[in-house]
Amino acid sequence: VHLVESGGGLVQPGGSLRLSCAASGFTFSSYAMSWVRQSPGKGLEWVSGISGSGGSTYYADSVKGRFTISRDNSKNTLYLQVNSLRADDTAVYYCAKGEVDTAMTYFDYWGQGTLVTVSS
Amino acid sequence: QSALTQPASVSGSPGQSITISCTGSSSDVGGYDYVSWYQQHPGKAPKLMIYDVSKRPSGVSNRFSGSKSGNTASLTISGLQAEDEADYYCCSYAGSSTLVFGGGTKLTGL
Repeated sequence: VHLVESGGGLVQPGGSLRLSCAASGFTFSSYAMSWVRQSPGKGLEWVSGISGSGGSTYYADSVKGRFTISRDNSKNTLYLQVNSLRADDTAVYYCAKGEVDTAMTYFDYWGQGTLVTVSS
Repeated sequence: QSALTQPASVSGSPGQSITISCTGSSSDVGGYDYVSWYQQHPGKAPKLMIYDVSKRPSGVSNRFSGSKSGNTASLTISGLQAEDEADYYCCSYAGSSTLVFGGGTKLTGL
């Protein structure tokens, strides 16, 4: 299993980015996926999740209405569209693999993360 | 979606055992047998150590064990080794397909 995130960078407050996570080594469409973030020097925060088919999406209250999770199973890629960014969204964003296609109760594989910095 | 409560740090010596607590509520830890624990070394991605309260993934040492009582889950590491020095995070299912993490515990002294 290999997960590789990309798309992070420096963005001004109010700006947008699209994060990507390229997956390999497993049947991508058969597993739910999530994004988990970690602010500098801080703990982990679950951000969003999506079912294997992409038909069901879930969000933490802190990002609801600003972030959109999606996936392209033909490309084995997970996405996170992040809009209306704020300083407290500054974090390393990890993609993480769930254990089955319809549920996420733990994450058995993680990518190395992509850093999003929100600053003027 | 309030973060689960973990001690900021615990200290141990090689060969000893330590336990890290993770306290939540009846809406998360106490309501489901879906607590997981992750180990994170500096600059690295988290690694799954325990899932479903007390199950160990293949390849994880049996020195790591998990348990739960009421709204509090615990991770015990026995026979401490230098490579166990890391940050540890608990995570619980919180209903409606959401999850919540603890604030993390730094294991030091090894």
